[in-house]
Amino acid sequence: QKEVEQNSGPLSVPEGAIASLNCTYSDRGSQSFFWYRQYSGKSPELIMFIYSNGDKEDGRFTAQLNKASQYVSLLIRDSQPSDSATYLCAVRGSSASKIIFGSGTRLSIRP
Amino acid sequence: DVKVTQSSRYLVKRTGEKVFLECVQDMDHENMFWYRQDPGLGLRLIYFSYDVKMKEKGDIPEGYSVSREKKERFSLILESASTNQTSMYLCASSSLGGGGGPDTQYFGPGTRLTVL
Repeated sequence: QKEVEQNSGPLSVPEGAIASLNCTYSDRGSQSFFWYRQYSGKSPELIMFIYSNGDKEDGRFTAQLNKASQYVSLLIRDSQPSDSATYLCAVRGSSASKIIFGSGTRLSIRP
Repeated sequence: DVKVTQSSRYLVKRTGEKVFLECVQDMDHENMFWYRQDPGLGLRLIYFSYDVKMKEKGDIPEGYSVSREKKERFSLILESASTNQTSMYLCASSSLGGGGGPDTQYFGPGTRLTVL
């Protein structure tokens, strides 16, 4: 089992709809959770981080964390074509020495 | 704004050559990281450093070494480049208590290395 798992996609969502991206992790003691966006040919950029169970909202983005079920998700409301990218989930485990990245979900917003 | 720069965007080398990839950050971050990114494999950690002259192996250190002589600079060295080291190399830095939240990693633009 991979330490951080994401569906590779592609996930195709119509413009204006909600895109839902999911991530599961294996280390139950994980502390910090991140979502990065990566456009083709570019480096990852941080969208959101979350540490506590529940929802965290920032503009059109909402991160959701459920430590009991060991999953973290990212919702993108009112999806725009500019949201088309690969989204990387990253988790800092209980060892605290490094962050593990998932392999990413490719999101495509169709006009 | 955090700025992480890498010495080259594109690099072409021959098998057996020694390759240096440089990374510089301007935010006084303690932590620096080197990853490689390959299609279908995601980001894989090669080496990281939590302090000057300190280094720790990541998940795939074989064939690589690193150097951190100054806090702002972290170099990745391929002692004898091989074709299976053709990849995108990404440097990142982070600092506990940074503005983006603890552990947030800020990435450089990447170096696409091709080994012929």
